[in-house]
Amino acid sequence: DTAVSQTPKYLVTQMGNDKSIKCEQNLGHDTMYWYKQDSKKFLKIMFSYNNKELIINETVPNRFSPKSPDKAHLNLHINSLELGDSAVYFCASSYKIQGNGYTFGSGTRLTVV
Amino acid sequence: GEDVEQSLFLSVREGDSSVINCTYTDSSSTYLYWYKQEPGAGLQLLTYIFSNMDMKQDQRLTVLLNKKDKHLSLRIADTQTGDSAIYFCAENNNDMRFGAGTRLTVKP
Repeated sequence: DTAVSQTPKYLVTQMGNDKSIKCEQNLGHDTMYWYKQDSKKFLKIMFSYNNKELIINETVPNRFSPKSPDKAHLNLHINSLELGDSAVYFCASSYKIQGNGYTFGSGTRLTVV
Repeated sequence: GEDVEQSLFLSVREGDSSVINCTYTDSSSTYLYWYKQEPGAGLQLLTYIFSNMDMKQDQRLTVLLNKKDKHLSLRIADTQTGDSAIYFCAENNNDMRFGAGTRLTVKP
């Protein structure tokens, strides 16, 4: 069984559209994250939720809105997509207490045309 | 990430040892991590070290931590072609901050 699963794996869409990426974890972790990986493989944290509460919100355009219906799910909705949003988006989860590292999903490759 | 720095490329021959280096800035990081990313996949946690340790060994992997110099290294013994991937160093204070990744290429 996949521990952190994201859907879809690939997403191609036109500029100006609105799209969502879903993430679910079955590890019982209390904290979930969204990271953006650009074409140079640089990983930047976007959001972090602990028990459905937003705890990190880096400098991300407000076109990006995370939603956590429960602690096993963290979805990412993006409005008015732009070319610069093209990237691979990774969901991850962990326990808030440090030590065991994060478990990552396999990524969603978003291409905006 | 400007907080964590790594060299971008490393090429070794199969059977040799690989050493990937990393420097970090946050001296309050309790744990430091190494992740591996294969093409088209997410990051996989390889190993981590607690900040009061200076070495950790796990089969072919050896992590060395020099806390004074804020330097972390990952040594892979007997490197295999299947080790070809991008390796990320990360520090964790309030959240995980990653280096830019080192692309390891293993030549037969």
